[in-house]
Amino acid sequence: EVQVLESGGGLAQPGGSLRLSCAASGFSFSSYAMSWVRQAPGKGLEWVSGISGSGGRTYYADSVKGRFTISGDNSKNTLFLQMNSLRAEDTAVYYCSKGHQYSSSYGMDVWGQGTTVTVSS
Amino acid sequence: DIQLTQSPSFLSASVGDRVTITCRASQGIFSYLAWYQEKPGRAPKLLIYAASTLQSGVPSRFSGSGSGTEFTLTISSLQPEDFATYYCQQLNSYPLTFGGGTKVEIE
Repeated sequence: EVQVLESGGGLAQPGGSLRLSCAASGFSFSSYAMSWVRQAPGKGLEWVSGISGSGGRTYYADSVKGRFTISGDNSKNTLFLQMNSLRAEDTAVYYCSKGHQYSSSYGMDVWGQGTTVTVSS
Repeated sequence: DIQLTQSPSFLSASVGDRVTITCRASQGIFSYLAWYQEKPGRAPKLLIYAASTLQSGVPSRFSGSGSGTEFTLTISSLQPEDFATYYCQQLNSYPLTFGGGTKVEIE
């Protein structure tokens, strides 16, 4: 079964750091574009960051550029999101998602259940 | 960045109703648009990709249309399990963006 499982969420202080992980199973994540999407409490979906299937290209929302870094470990079939200089507005459920099997331009066809990040003092 | 405007933001409807949600892009995105369904406490689910192609396993009462800057998601006969929030997403260029969402509630 194709699935992704996020971990690493928790409570962080403003200015602090967290590292989210997304373990892929049933597929080789290096063959697909992958993204992180978040949802703040009571708000809509916000795309955060993405990485190409080859890992050669990374993309970020303006709201996290310079603070978050997306990367992958092919040997572990795992995607990461390193989050630094955290702010209260980064509080959200973070979802890992897989690019569509036919094309990364077709959307995200597999999503995890999310991991919760809370930034508060 | 490409902005997506969904309308309406909220929609009250009854089982059996035909429902249409609109998504407008701030610039042309060809057919690089996806629609998702989200229910409380659950991950989003891909319904439609490439503006009009039904994702595998999604009921045929869902359909999508449009290209360029204007798109629609239609539910031909609303079912109890369809009460949820729906989002459009553009995949024409980075940063990828979502619309603000349309919550479909029971009338």
